[in-house]
Amino acid sequence: SQQGEEDPQALSIQEGENATMNCSYKTSINNLQWYRQNSGRGLVHLILIRSNEREKHSGRLRVTLDTSKKSSSLLITASRAADTASYFCATVLSGNTPLVFGKGTRLSVIA
Amino acid sequence: GAGVSQSPSNKVTEKGKDVELRCDPISGHTALYWYRQSLGQGLEFLIYFQGNSAPDKSGLPSDRFSAERTGGSVSTLTIQRTQQEDSAVYLCASSPGLRGLNSHGYTFGSGTRLTVV
Repeated sequence: SQQGEEDPQALSIQEGENATMNCSYKTSINNLQWYRQNSGRGLVHLILIRSNEREKHSGRLRVTLDTSKKSSSLLITASRAADTASYFCATVLSGNTPLVFGKGTRLSVIA
Repeated sequence: GAGVSQSPSNKVTEKGKDVELRCDPISGHTALYWYRQSLGQGLEFLIYFQGNSAPDKSGLPSDRFSAERTGGSVSTLTIQRTQQEDSAVYLCASSPGLRGLNSHGYTFGSGTRLTVV
């Protein structure tokens, strides 16, 4: 079962624009993580935000977390063609259990 | 090793045959995870190991699926009597596993693309 649900399912933007992807989840969390997947293979961990954090930055990435709304957003600023990939949020259903991933957002950045 | 290594990278097998997929995690990572991803879909959790133990096998789709981990390192996922619906990319990941499974991000391998014909 999916714990996180990303929105939109697909997003197409021009190079240089910002891309925003959202994730909603259902249960209380310790942290929420975002991953990127290129070409349907291995996922790359982008950022982890803890439940007591509201915002976190890493390079051109900005992640926010609103635990009252059970939602998170991933913002990629000044997008590049190389950012074209699928982006997944991941969290846990309960306790010390493995990550559960959403279905992802497919981002296309057009040069 | 420097990263998570999976082999083979691609496997084509005939329906009814058994297959073994291998995962070599990052050295020192105590937690190891298997996921499956069908075309255009999200990741489906299969099983995880903490050391050599598998506390949760509920994600395995059927009794044709089994996994083991030896020496706290390499893991093998075995699918017996493969069916066409088993076709997917099988992804392995590892994490330090200390202070809980999810206190660090997971490091994924490049996956094994299994095609059952």
